[in-house]
Amino acid sequence: NAGVMQNPRHLVRRRGQEARLRCSPMKGHSHVYWYRQLPEEGLKFMVYLQKENIIDESGMPKERFSAEFPKEGPSILRIQQVVRGDSAAYFCASSPDLVHGTEAFFGQGTRLTVV
Amino acid sequence: GNSVTQMEGPVTLSEEAFLTINCTYTATGYPSLFWYVQYPGEGLQLLLKATKADDKGSNKGFEATYRKETTSFHLEKGSVQVSDSAVYFCALLTDSWGKFQFGAGTQVVVTP
Repeated sequence: NAGVMQNPRHLVRRRGQEARLRCSPMKGHSHVYWYRQLPEEGLKFMVYLQKENIIDESGMPKERFSAEFPKEGPSILRIQQVVRGDSAAYFCASSPDLVHGTEAFFGQGTRLTVV
Repeated sequence: GNSVTQMEGPVTLSEEAFLTINCTYTATGYPSLFWYVQYPGEGLQLLLKATKADDKGSNKGFEATYRKETTSFHLEKGSVQVSDSAVYFCALLTDSWGKFQFGAGTQVVVTP
């Protein structure tokens, strides 16, 4: 059973370009979460999705950021018109059916560098 | 609101030394508590967890006990190895889904 797969592992974008980050959850997992890790900081929650639905996007910046988890295919985190401050590691996690204390399984992350 | 506070790093130890990383939390309700480990260039891996008061999580020689009275979940290992060098994150989960609240992380460096 493959783990959470994220790609690309490293992404370099020039200011103003778009960044698309992909996440395939573990088989059988229908809950996907995105977290951002800024340099020297912990992980900050961004968004929680189930298939075709955004459940909680309270951690998403109001502009330029969007996320989706379509019926078919991976979850996508999209950042439009990137700026230097978007440089960070973006982690995706997935979990199975919701049971108290169920942990989330994390991917290896996409490290975005904006130049 | 919910929060997790960890001791600041880096923590530098010699091989076979005793390791403690303090973690305290603030939360409503009855959270589950977790320790995740991040090796260089990698994602987070679950190290151990505890879902109710007085539970002890353990894995790979690491232990942590859920102390409700002191709102703490300190991580300990009796004899560290160089391979334990990593960043350790304490986290809590109050909702029934994966909206974790993470601490800032503690870098541990173990020297031969």
